[in-house]
Amino acid sequence: EAGVTQSPTHLIKTRGQQVTLRCSPISGHTSVYWYQQALGLGLQFLLWYDEGEERNRGNFPPRFSGRQFPNYSSELNVNALELEDSALYLCASSLRTAGTGGAETQYFGPGTRLLVL
Amino acid sequence: AQSVSQHNHHVILSEAASLELGCNYSYGGTVNLFWYVQYPGQHLQLLLKYFSGDPLVKGIKGFEAEFIKSKFSFNLRKPSVQWSDTAEYFCAVNLKWGAQKLVFGQGTRLTINP
Repeated sequence: EAGVTQSPTHLIKTRGQQVTLRCSPISGHTSVYWYQQALGLGLQFLLWYDEGEERNRGNFPPRFSGRQFPNYSSELNVNALELEDSALYLCASSLRTAGTGGAETQYFGPGTRLLVL
Repeated sequence: AQSVSQHNHHVILSEAASLELGCNYSYGGTVNLFWYVQYPGQHLQLLLKYFSGDPLVKGIKGFEAEFIKSKFSFNLRKPSVQWSDTAEYFCAVNLKWGAQKLVFGQGTRLTINP
């Protein structure tokens, strides 16, 4: 079974530019999550999509946005890049299962490493 | 605010030593608890999770964790570590029946010397 895939693996951008990161979930998974892993800040939740809808958003400015497509793949867009956006961006997917109270396992991809100069 | 605290940033052990990594959380409500591991050069993967039932949960590779509700803790244990356990370990929590975002601890880097 193929795991969560992300593209690109690495990106270098300059301040003020825009970037789009892509994620393909495990086949059959309908939920996609985005996390940021910045140096010294740990893993922080960015966004959760399920069945094409944004379900929850972390404490990030509006220039972080995304969407989920009908095939459940997802994009994360970051506008007006700032130096502190340099981080590893992780995507995870899960299969919503009734009755588990949110305890579904999130399966993580390898991440996209973004460097903003 | 919801938070997860991992007490040890870097733990160094010799092979066959016993391991306990601490995790405490601050959450207003019933929670699900997770331990994830990231081996060098690999993705984050689930070690174990607790969401109901027996508070002592067993995971992959001989790891276990105990949920102690009164202490808001979910410590990870292994009776005898191996060199291959060298990795970074993350405790994570989410609110049962709430938004499924995971709140992670800062991680503990574990180094096992052969």
